[in-house]
Amino acid sequence: AQSVTQLDSQVPVFEEAPVELRCNYSSSVSVYLFWYVQYPNQGLQLLLKYLSGSTLVKGINGFEAEFNKSQTSFHLRKPSVHISDTAEYFCAVTLSGGYNKLIFGAGTRLAVHP
Amino acid sequence: DGGITQSPKYLFRKEGQNVTLSCEQNLNHDAMYWYRQDPGQGLRLIYYSQIVNDFQKGDIAEGYSVSREKKESFPLTVTSAQKNPTAFYLCASSRDNEQFFGPGTRLTVL
Repeated sequence: AQSVTQLDSQVPVFEEAPVELRCNYSSSVSVYLFWYVQYPNQGLQLLLKYLSGSTLVKGINGFEAEFNKSQTSFHLRKPSVHISDTAEYFCAVTLSGGYNKLIFGAGTRLAVHP
Repeated sequence: DGGITQSPKYLFRKEGQNVTLSCEQNLNHDAMYWYRQDPGQGLRLIYYSQIVNDFQKGDIAEGYSVSREKKESFPLTVTSAQKNPTAFYLCASSRDNEQFFGPGTRLTVL
């Protein structure tokens, strides 16, 4: 069975600093990987996804993530954060091919301070 | 504008009452999902439906029921058998491998 571990429940950072949100997954077969963002009392919005191809994936709002198969990781990065990036971020995994349910990590709360 | 709507945004019910949460999509997606979100636990799958008139239990289906009579609609009923129903409920639909989420309904049982 697949599982997702987000290594940090909270990440405080100052505005314009770089940030990395860590995500590790476990699976014995090929997977698809996703990062979603959730603002308070709202639904989830897709930031980026890895299905195949280049291991460096660029998403919306200046975020990017790198798929590392040997380390089973899919860390999310942004070189310079804004106050508006304050939100909850979820990493998710599903088996590649056909329909499979999405497994979510517990989330990382990013708090950007002025 | 295509999207997923959930209503109401906030819902209060007394303990022991059944309550139905609405989810509608105009994205023409075949698959729809219901998730429950609790603080610090991420999202957990309650039920999903890959096609009209068919649905399957997710990881935490006990105390919940669904129907899928129309492609656009996937209502969730929280029954009195659900021991701890207070939570944020999210509906989603999918195309290919991407899930699109509604704005959520926060249910509080008093």
